[in-house]
Amino acid sequence: RKEVEQDPGPFNVPEGATVAFNCTYSNSASQSFFWYRQDCRKEPKLLMSVYSSGNEDGRFTAQLNRASQYISLLIRDSKLSDSATYLCVVSGFQKLVFGTGTRLLVSP
Amino acid sequence: DGGITQSPKYLFRKEGQNVTLSCEQNLNHDAMYWYRQDPGQGLRLIYYSQIVNDFQKGDIAEGYSVSREKKESFPLTVTSAQKNPTAFYLCASSVPRDRGTDTQYFGPGTRLTVL
Repeated sequence: RKEVEQDPGPFNVPEGATVAFNCTYSNSASQSFFWYRQDCRKEPKLLMSVYSSGNEDGRFTAQLNRASQYISLLIRDSKLSDSATYLCVVSGFQKLVFGTGTRLLVSP
Repeated sequence: DGGITQSPKYLFRKEGQNVTLSCEQNLNHDAMYWYRQDPGQGLRLIYYSQIVNDFQKGDIAEGYSVSREKKESFPLTVTSAQKNPTAFYLCASSVPRDRGTDTQYFGPGTRLTVL
């Protein structure tokens, strides 16, 4: 079993749609959780950290379910500029473990 | 203007040659990391360093070497022993977890192609 698993997609949605990604992780001792965004042929950039109580940043909402060991990202009112690959990231021992990413394509 | 820089952006190497990829940061971060990314795959950790003059192997260290003589710099050498070096190489830095956060910030990457 992979340490971090994501549906690779692609998720094809129209502008204005709401889309949700899930990610599962295997290490129950993980303490830190993140969503990164990666554009084609670019470096990953931090989108948001994920806290146990859930957190929101504008159109983006992240949730953590420790009991079921999954993390979610909800994007509301999708924009064309949201098209990218979204990486789920979980802390391990002295390192971060990256999922392979979920690709999102937002169309006009 | 703080950040992480990597050079060169594109690098071409002949088989059998060693090449060194540069990574510099002025964020005053203690920890630095090297990853490689292959098409359709996630980031895989090559080496990391939590402090100057110390570094540890990651998941795929074979065929690579690093040094950490200065806090700001963490160069990666891809040796001829690396059998499939063509990939996108990413350097990252962070404040270590014992200081309350381990968010990693990435440089723009070096795309290495072996001819």
